[in-house]
Amino acid sequence: QVQLKESGPGLVKPSETLSLNCTVSGGSIRNYYWTWVRQPPGKGLEWIGYISYSGSTNYNPSLQSRVTISVDMSKNQFSLKLTSVTAADTAVYYCARQSQLGMEDSWGQGTLVTVSS
Amino acid sequence: EIVLTQSPGTLSLSPGDTATLSCRASQSVSSTYLAWYQHRPGQAPRLLIYRISSRATGIPDRFSGSGSGTDFTLTINTLEPEDFAVYYCQQYGTSPITFGQGTRLEIK
Repeated sequence: QVQLKESGPGLVKPSETLSLNCTVSGGSIRNYYWTWVRQPPGKGLEWIGYISYSGSTNYNPSLQSRVTISVDMSKNQFSLKLTSVTAADTAVYYCARQSQLGMEDSWGQGTLVTVSS
Repeated sequence: EIVLTQSPGTLSLSPGDTATLSCRASQSVSSTYLAWYQHRPGQAPRLLIYRISSRATGIPDRFSGSGSGTDFTLTINTLEPEDFAVYYCQQYGTSPITFGQGTRLEIK
C-alpha cells in the first residue's frame, strides 16, 4: 500500500519561501498525479495544485503566482515551493496521490508550517 | 470556481443514529466527479466516496453517497463511535478543484 510522508521546516519567516517534500513509499511515483492540499488552523481544506509524474502541473489560481510543484522520479518524491509567505500561509500541508479516477485516494499525515518571525 | 456549501456545519447525533450530510454546488459538477472524505483530528483525510456514490476500497457499506447535478448527500447509517469526525465534499471535475467547508459530526 502506498504511503506518503511530508517533510520540511515547521517554521518559516514572513516573505521567505516555504519548501516541503513528499516522499512516496510502497509504490512508484510513475503513472499518477500528485497533489498538495493545505488546511489553515480552524478552516477547511484548500487545494494547492498537482503535478504528473512527467512534470505537467495545474495550480490553484489563487496561489499560482507563488507556487511551484516539482517531481523527482529518482527519489520517488515530489515537492512544493511557496514564495513570499505571510501569516495567512500558516497551515497543515498535506501531500496526496491523485488516483487514475481523479480523486485523492492516499494522503500523508500532514505537516504544520507556521509563518512567523 | 465551483463553490461547495456543506450543511449543517455541525451535526450532533448518537451512536446508532443515521447521519445525513448535504453538499450543494454553485454550478453543476462535471462528469459526476464528486467525492467525500472523512477527516479525524491529527490524521490523514480518508477517501470514502467517489463519483458521487462509489465506495472507496475498504469503506463499510453503512456509508453511501447520492445526488446529481448540484445537490449531493452523504448518508452514514448506524453511526459507530469512530464515525465522529469532520466530513468534506470535493469536486474534481473542474479546475480549480474545490472542497466544501466541512461538516463536523459530533457525539450528542
